[in-house]
Amino acid sequence: QKEVEQDPGPLSVPEGAIVSLNCTYSNSAFQYFMWYRQYSRKGPELLMYTYSSGNKEDGRFTAQVDKSSKYISLFIRDSQPSDSATYLCAMSARMGGNEKLTFGTGTRLTIIP
Amino acid sequence: NAGVMQNPRHLVRRRGQEARLRCSPMKGHSHVYWYRQLPEEGLKFMVYLQKENIIDESGMPKERFSAEFPKEGPSILRIQQVVRGDSAAYFCASLRGAGAPGANVLTFGAGSRLTVL
Repeated sequence: QKEVEQDPGPLSVPEGAIVSLNCTYSNSAFQYFMWYRQYSRKGPELLMYTYSSGNKEDGRFTAQVDKSSKYISLFIRDSQPSDSATYLCAMSARMGGNEKLTFGTGTRLTIIP
Repeated sequence: NAGVMQNPRHLVRRRGQEARLRCSPMKGHSHVYWYRQLPEEGLKFMVYLQKENIIDESGMPKERFSAEFPKEGPSILRIQQVVRGDSAAYFCASLRGAGAPGANVLTFGAGSRLTVL
């Protein structure tokens, strides 16, 4: 079993729809949870960062963490064509004084105008 | 403040040649990570380095791959005797360091795309 599982998609939704992206994980040592967005042929860029269970909102984006269920989500409201990208979840655990990040495989999202 | 700089952006090699990929971390960042991304796949951890030290190389293939982060200059990912299966995007990322605010947030470069003919 992979430490981090993410549905690869692809996922296509009409402009204006609410998008839900999800990841599950198995390692209880993960303490920090991130979502990265990667446009085609670019490097990933940090979108959201959280470390506690609950919701964190930033504009049209909401990151949700449920540590008891080992489940994280990213919600995108009023989706725009510019949101079309691959979204990667990432989780961090402190291992021997160093940070170890583990990424999901990424979900490819297309917003249809 | 330039971000993480990677070069070359694109590299073409024939089988058996060597590939060298360079990464300059963000100013003030002393930790460098290398990841490999195959088409349609996620980011696979390769190696984690601090200046002059390899901290974690558990994701590096045992042969042909090596990495360094010297006291001066960029981090180098070196692939000897490349094979077609090495064709991928190689991303470098840096972070400020353990204990600093936002210490575990990686900043990625734009990647180096290696094509092996």
